[in-house]
Amino acid sequence: GAGVSQSPRYKVAKRGQDVALRCDPISGHVSLFWYQQALGQGPEFLTYFQNEAQLDKSGLPSDRFFAERPEGSVSTLKIQRTQQEDSAVYLCASSPDRGNQPQHFGDGTRLSIL
Amino acid sequence: DQQVKQNSPSLSVQEGRISILNCDYTNSMFDYFLWYKKYPAEGPTFLISISSIKDKNEDGRFTVFLNKSAKHLSLHIVPSQPGDSAVYFCAARRKGAQKLVFGQGTRLTINP
Repeated sequence: GAGVSQSPRYKVAKRGQDVALRCDPISGHVSLFWYQQALGQGPEFLTYFQNEAQLDKSGLPSDRFFAERPEGSVSTLKIQRTQQEDSAVYLCASSPDRGNQPQHFGDGTRLSIL
Repeated sequence: DQQVKQNSPSLSVQEGRISILNCDYTNSMFDYFLWYKKYPAEGPTFLISISSIKDKNEDGRFTVFLNKSAKHLSLHIVPSQPGDSAVYFCAARRKGAQKLVFGQGTRLTINP
């Protein structure tokens, strides 16, 4: 497909478990972003990669959140020792370069922590 | 602090009429603004954008207006169609940054 692909679409985990969320950006897109969307709110920025370099991680809420993009393509967002407040939709977006180009979003992973 | 605000949680418009969605921002360093449309269980879909050097950008039925002095932008959809029913998000990007700052969204319902 030509769009941003995220997996899994839904994830249920028990509090304290670790989870890993995957993002396949649009082929050739240099920039990759992770956002967190709580119910009834707009997406909130978590972190940004340019190729494999993580240039901004100012939105990660705690050191339990970790993201990587080792080969400059697929990215993984990992949440350790999950807590109930981590329940949200996690959105991945990609864009071609650093100019005035819109970010294109995947359909997200809905994470529910029991 | 909410830097991008969409003060209307919902809007209902009759099919064929104009829909106007509003967005206010507080950060004068924002220089690029976007509107996204979101259906349930899907990710946001890019609609239209505008750079701060312009005050209007048009694409088919969609027009975005930017009033920098008022720190206000609006999205006009005309004529409105049933498929336009969705949640609309306004987003802004600060000069030199890459991340987007989103508003809370406005749910638009187009009535037949």
